[in-house]
Amino acid sequence: GQNIDQPTEMTATEGAIVQINCTYQTSGFNGLFWYQQHAGEAPTFLSYNVLDGLEEKGRFSSFLSRSKGYSYLLLKELQMKDSASYLCAVMDSGYALNFGKGTSLLVTP
Amino acid sequence: GAVVSQHPSWVICKSGTSVKIECRSLDFQATTMFWYRQFPKQSLMLMATSNEGSKATYEQGVEKDKFLINHASLTLSTLTVTSAHPEDSSFYICSARAAEPQETQYFGPGTRLLVL
Repeated sequence: GQNIDQPTEMTATEGAIVQINCTYQTSGFNGLFWYQQHAGEAPTFLSYNVLDGLEEKGRFSSFLSRSKGYSYLLLKELQMKDSASYLCAVMDSGYALNFGKGTSLLVTP
Repeated sequence: GAVVSQHPSWVICKSGTSVKIECRSLDFQATTMFWYRQFPKQSLMLMATSNEGSKATYEQGVEKDKFLINHASLTLSTLTVTSAHPEDSSFYICSARAAEPQETQYFGPGTRLLVL
C-alpha cells in the first residue's frame, strides 16, 4: 500500500516563497505528482517527477528523492490566487494515483 | 491538451435510487480509467480501476455490487451508484490514461452527488 504524508495547512504572504513537503512509503512507484485543487473543482496537474532532482516550471518547482521517499513543491512569488489545496500523489505500479490528504495553503496580503 | 468530460456535473436524488455517471475521453482512447471519490475537506480516494473490456478492480472497502463500473469502449466508462444513500453524497472524479505517455492522467471535471 501507500502511505503519503503532507502538512494539513500552511500560511504564507503574497510575494513570498513557500515549500510544501511530502513523504511517502510505497510498494510500487511510477512517479510522484503534484496537483492544485480549488474548492469544488477537479485537481489540475502541476508537476511530475520520476527521477531524482528538481523540475522547474515557471513559479513552481518540484523535487524528488526516491531513496528518502521525499518530495517538495516550491512556489515562488506567491499570488493570492495560489490559495488552494495542494495534493501530493504517488503513481503505483498499476498507474493509479494515490493521494495524500492535501495541504491547504492560504496566501495573505 | 486532452479533454475528459463527465456527465452529469451535478445530481440530486432521493435515497434508494440509482445514479449513473459517465466519463468520456473526448480526443484520445483511454486504455484505463480510474474512479475517485472525495468527501468534503478530504483528499481523493481511489475507488476502482477500469480497463476496457474487462472487469474493474476495486480498492479495499469499496463495494463492487454498490458501485457498478462499466468500461464498454476506449472512450467511455460509467459508474452507477446503486440504491444511493445520504452517506454516498460526495464528489466523484474520473481520470483517463492514454497508452502513451503511460504516466499521464487526465481528470474529468467531477460530478457532485447529493442524496437526500
